[in-house]
Amino acid sequence: ELKVEQNPLFLSMQEEKNYTIYCNYSTTSDRLYWYRQDPGKSLESLFVLLSNGAVKQEGRLMASLDTKARLSTLHITAAVHDLSATYFCLLLSNFGNEKLTFGTGTRLTIIP
Amino acid sequence: GAVVSQHPSWVICKSGTSVKIECRSLDFQATTMFWYRQFPKQSLMLMATSNEGSKATYEQGVEKDKFLINHASLTLSTLTVTSAHPEDSSFYICSVGLGQGLGYEQYFGPGTRLTVT
Repeated sequence: ELKVEQNPLFLSMQEEKNYTIYCNYSTTSDRLYWYRQDPGKSLESLFVLLSNGAVKQEGRLMASLDTKARLSTLHITAAVHDLSATYFCLLLSNFGNEKLTFGTGTRLTIIP
Repeated sequence: GAVVSQHPSWVICKSGTSVKIECRSLDFQATTMFWYRQFPKQSLMLMATSNEGSKATYEQGVEKDKFLINHASLTLSTLTVTSAHPEDSSFYICSVGLGQGLGYEQYFGPGTRLTVT
């Protein structure tokens, strides 16, 4: 059974601190996505990671992918309150007959 | 990026009735659309893959007779929850895949919140 697990599930952190969210998966992957979801809202695309060693950065967020370790990370630098949201990774495998599997989600709360 | 809409945004219905949710791709044609369900404070679970002009592919554990999917055109897929029960109350989100190869990406609709009383 394909598993996509995120760690931690809940994260409360102070502003200006750094932290990393981990996304582990149990099969080979064609690509991995990161999304943000605000309460009651749909998903906002953050990053698309296509290959081993891929690193992408946007503002205070940086995502990376290690396909050999089957691990993606989302790093938050100097957190600010408006980054509070739930973050999901999404694994796309078996491209051509797509298998889409979401991670368990990480609820991030930034405390002023 | 692509624009995906859903209608309605939220719906409240009585137990035993059926509810139809629409997913539209507004600016491109989509041969495949995906339907997800999200319970409160949980992740999104893929329910089925909707294929234009053919039968949908359902994930294991999803009742195809209860969750009817119709993808009659390249811009519209519908999900009908038949004989709804309170346990069907959830947030339903559709997505479409756009692009090929390295450019492939998923675009999500705004979601439909279903409450069954």
